[in-house]
Amino acid sequence: AQTVTQSQPEMSVQEAETVTLSCTYDTSESDYYLFWYKQPPSRQMILVIRQEAYKQQNATENRFSVNFQKAAKSFSLKISDSQLGDAAMYFCAYRSADLATYKYIFGTGTRLKVLA
Amino acid sequence: DAEITQSPRHKITETGRQVTLACHQTWNHNNMFWYRQDLGHGLRLIHYSYGVQDTNKGEVSDGYSVSRSNTEDLPLTLESAASSQTSVYFCASSGPNTDTQYFGPGTRLTVL
Repeated sequence: AQTVTQSQPEMSVQEAETVTLSCTYDTSESDYYLFWYKQPPSRQMILVIRQEAYKQQNATENRFSVNFQKAAKSFSLKISDSQLGDAAMYFCAYRSADLATYKYIFGTGTRLKVLA
Repeated sequence: DAEITQSPRHKITETGRQVTLACHQTWNHNNMFWYRQDLGHGLRLIHYSYGVQDTNKGEVSDGYSVSRSNTEDLPLTLESAASSQTSVYFCASSGPNTDTQYFGPGTRLTVL
């Protein structure tokens, strides 16, 4: 069975600085998808970025980028130029590429605090 | 715009009562999911459905049931609410050709 681990329960970053959130996963599959979701105090789950495992190029969305290391089964999220609005819970998630399954497996989350 | 809604947003009930949480999506997605979110556990899958009349158990399905009579709705029922079911519940949906799930705003359920 697949697992997703976020070993940092809480992180802090100074406004305008860069922070990296860690995520590791375990799977025997060769093809899959990885995601980072943001959950602000409103509780809404917002997709931040997604990565397809068969693509070697790291995904980027504006100030958000990932460092995807397939062999190491690592999927970290880098937030550049941190803003107060980035303060939230961040969840890493895994989904098999198997078309017969659409289930996600989530990590336990990392709470990010942004200091003014 | 297409969306996914949940109701109620907050609910307080007593142990032993039956509770139903509603989830409605206008994405016309085949796949719908119910999760619960608890501190230290992230999101855990309760039940899911890949289409009308299809339902499947997730990792924490005991004490919960779902039914899928149409594409848009997947109500979650707690047959006899227990204090251990106090949690935040999220509904999500995804289409057949997309790997991305879209989440509702969540329902905070308190069982006293």
